[in-house]
Amino acid sequence: DAKTTQPPSMDCAEGRAANLPCNHSTISGNEYVYWYRQIHSQGPQYIIHGLKNNETNEMASLIITEDRKSSTLILPHATLRDTAVYYCIVRGPTGANSKLTFGKGITLSVRP
Amino acid sequence: DAGVTQSPTHLIKTRGQHVTLRCSPISGHKSVSWYQQVLGQGPQFIFQYYEKEERGRGNFPDRFSARQFPNYSSELNVNALLLGDSALYLCASSLIRDRVSGELFFGEGSRLTVL
Repeated sequence: DAKTTQPPSMDCAEGRAANLPCNHSTISGNEYVYWYRQIHSQGPQYIIHGLKNNETNEMASLIITEDRKSSTLILPHATLRDTAVYYCIVRGPTGANSKLTFGKGITLSVRP
Repeated sequence: DAGVTQSPTHLIKTRGQHVTLRCSPISGHKSVSWYQQVLGQGPQFIFQYYEKEERGRGNFPDRFSARQFPNYSSELNVNALLLGDSALYLCASSLIRDRVSGELFFGEGSRLTVL
């Protein structure tokens, strides 16, 4: 699976959009971009994933650049409860293999 | 619906002892994976079991073993505990549809402290 690079931390104001960047310059054509988050002392939580088109669900939007070498997770209206570590993961079409390779993630702090 | 449940939530052991951690997947999920998360790091893959067979193994010593039962619950066993085994152990389940794994759903973890 391709490696991802994320800044170690960022913050944003409550109510504003949080834009979390991720670089994955070695991504292959059949690899997906997944985002999970981990709130302190809890298990990771799935947020969203995509291949090449932008994706949106009730939690967030995922914007993938045309060359697929980077992506941005957007939390449209961040709340204090969104303070967490966010992991960007590249995962191949490994069939029934469910392995995820986590990096250190980016710590998002939402301030009041 | 119940999510992934793990037990115990916290436990303390001493070096050289053995530990068994348990996991019940979401109903209908037949794949269970185990991850180790040490402080300040992301989770690291240990094992995956699907249909009671080992489908993947991470870079962990043979002191780590696991199994999956007919009801798809799973146990992770660690023998001869070392101080470095202190970590949060996470279990995740996923639905396999058309032989492709969906997203993983994680439990809250079992926090192991080795003294």
